[in-house]
Amino acid sequence: DVKVTQSSRYLVKRTGEKVFLECVQDMDHENMFWYRQDPGLGLRLIYFSYDVKMKEKGDIPEGYSVSREKKERFSLILESASTNQTSMYLCASSPHPPPRAQYSNQPQHFGDGTRLSIL
Amino acid sequence: AQKVTQAQTEISVVEKEDVTLDCVYETRDTTYYLFWYKQPPSGELVFLIRRNSFDEQNEISGRYSWNFQKSTSSFNFTITASQVVDSAVYFCALRWGWNFNKFYFGSGTKLNVKP
Repeated sequence: DVKVTQSSRYLVKRTGEKVFLECVQDMDHENMFWYRQDPGLGLRLIYFSYDVKMKEKGDIPEGYSVSREKKERFSLILESASTNQTSMYLCASSPHPPPRAQYSNQPQHFGDGTRLSIL
Repeated sequence: AQKVTQAQTEISVVEKEDVTLDCVYETRDTTYYLFWYKQPPSGELVFLIRRNSFDEQNEISGRYSWNFQKSTSSFNFTITASQVVDSAVYFCALRWGWNFNKFYFGSGTKLNVKP
């Protein structure tokens, strides 16, 4: 079974702090993702990475950065936390599609989420 | 633009009722994938089903069934004889992109099944 582990289930930080959310997957997946989930808005993609040291912005990257130094680990960084970043953060991973992409339909596998509160 | 719409924000049913969760998607790509995920109160998203754009066959898995219709860009999910354990938020998702690395999620439908 794929295991995606997020370092904290609950986290409370103060405005202006630099916050690190860690995610580790054990299935050698190429792709990793960070989402935030807010009521009525569903999941919104912050950043994703398709290889070590590679990253792409998602829909709402402002105020966040990411780091992927090793294949199994994808970190989300809040450079200077603000109250509007209080949210549930979800990490996911998926394998890279093989060359014949039309035959690939691998789902994402999610961690348990980190509920982050910024005071 | 890619888009997934789950118009039903919240649905409440009584146990043993059938319930259908709607999902409408938009994409210009001819190759794409659709997924349903379940998020129980514990928080973790659980993968339920995937369907690619070339396969319009409906699927049944126990009490769950899915109806994929490209003509209406819909991928609806039906739970037959609902149970309290089905209470969760359900997300529909679209996967597309040059390397199919992009997932776009709908806003979710919260299902409450009352005993």
